[in-house]
Amino acid sequence: NAGVMQNPRHLVRRRGQEARLRCSPMKGHSHVYWYRQLPEEGLKFMVYLQKENIIDESGMPKERFSAEFPKEGPSILRIQQVVRGDSAAYFCASSPLPTRDRGYEQYFGPGTRLTVT
Amino acid sequence: AQSVTQPDIHITVSEGASLELRCNYSYGATPYLFWYVQSPGQGLQLLLKYFSGDTLVQGIKGFEAEFKRSQSSFNLRKPSVHWSDAAEYFCAVGGGATNKLIFGTGTLLAVQP
Repeated sequence: NAGVMQNPRHLVRRRGQEARLRCSPMKGHSHVYWYRQLPEEGLKFMVYLQKENIIDESGMPKERFSAEFPKEGPSILRIQQVVRGDSAAYFCASSPLPTRDRGYEQYFGPGTRLTVT
Repeated sequence: AQSVTQPDIHITVSEGASLELRCNYSYGATPYLFWYVQSPGQGLQLLLKYFSGDTLVQGIKGFEAEFKRSQSSFNLRKPSVHWSDAAEYFCAVGGGATNKLIFGTGTLLAVQP
């Protein structure tokens, strides 16, 4: 059973370009979360999505960042007009429908390391 | 405000010695607590979790953690550390309506031979 897949693993972009990060959840998982890890910091929640629906985007920067999880295909985190401060590791996690019995576990992918030059 | 504090940024222990990593949380409701481990350049692996019931929980790789409500703590322990345990450890709290996890800043563990 494949785990959470993220690609690319490393991405280099120049300032002003667009970055697209992809996440395929674990088989059977319909909920996806994106987190950002800045250097020397812990992970910060960005957005929580179900298929075709954004549940919570309270951690997303107001501008330039967007996320989607279409009916078919991976979840995409899109960063427009990247700046140096966007350089970070971006992690995707997935879970089945969160319930008390399942314990709200999230399973993480290997991350995408974004470098903005 | 919801938060997680890991007061130790770096810890060095000798191989075979015992280990305790501290975690304190602030959370308005009943917390769901997690410990994750991250090796360099890798994603996060779930070590253990607490939701309810027995306050001493067992995880993978010989780790355990104890939930102490009165101290708002969820410290991670291992009786005998192996060199392969060198990694960064993150404590997290979650389980609210949107299931987002709030992470501490991590503790970097080094293991001396």
